[in-house]
Amino acid sequence: DAGVIQSPRHEVTEMGQEVTLRCKPISGHDYLFWYRQTMMRGLELLIYFNNNVPIDDSGMPEDRFSAKMPNASFSTLKIQPSEPRDSAVYFCASSLGPLAGGINEQFFGPGTRLTVL
Amino acid sequence: AQSVAQPEDQVNVAEGNPLTVKCTYSVSGNPYLFWYVQYPNRGLQFLLKYITGDNLVKGSYGFEAEFNKSQTSFHLKKPSALVSDSALYFCAVRDLVTGGGNKLTFGTGTQLKVEL
Repeated sequence: DAGVIQSPRHEVTEMGQEVTLRCKPISGHDYLFWYRQTMMRGLELLIYFNNNVPIDDSGMPEDRFSAKMPNASFSTLKIQPSEPRDSAVYFCASSLGPLAGGINEQFFGPGTRLTVL
Repeated sequence: AQSVAQPEDQVNVAEGNPLTVKCTYSVSGNPYLFWYVQYPNRGLQFLLKYITGDNLVKGSYGFEAEFNKSQTSFHLKKPSALVSDSALYFCAVRDLVTGGGNKLTFGTGTQLKVEL
């Protein structure tokens, strides 16, 4: 398996523009997580899905952020409009859930480094 | 709420010496604990996990972790450090949230620097 795939790997945009980050989880995984990592705040969970349904979005900073998972193999995180303080590395991770048996680890993608000018 | 604490922002060790990266936890119920490593410009990689059973858990790249219930600790160890072990290490605990699956709460991370 290719692992969790994220695109783009780097994104540079100007304040006010819309940004869309993409994630393809590992095939068969039923949980998908979106994280943000910054020096100041560390690693933050933004939202996670189970079987394509959002379970907890309490980590989403504000209404400018939205996430979707239209099917089991694709998710997007959108920022509209983007602001300089959104600059961070955004990670997607996936895992098997408890129904698969056991306590399963999350597998992380390589991340998208977002710079908002 | 479940939480983990990594008391050291940075750990320095000489190559060939043993290393320890500390983690303490606070949970209600059984602790399910994880260690991840992050190399520069990369995503987090799973190293090992404690679910139940032996207190000494062996993982990838020669790492192991010791679960200590009385001290509520889960320290990461390696008998002989390599320069290539230099990275950011995260301890994590599984959140006990209904429908939360394998949602994890991560520590703040410890930067390990191994020098020649």
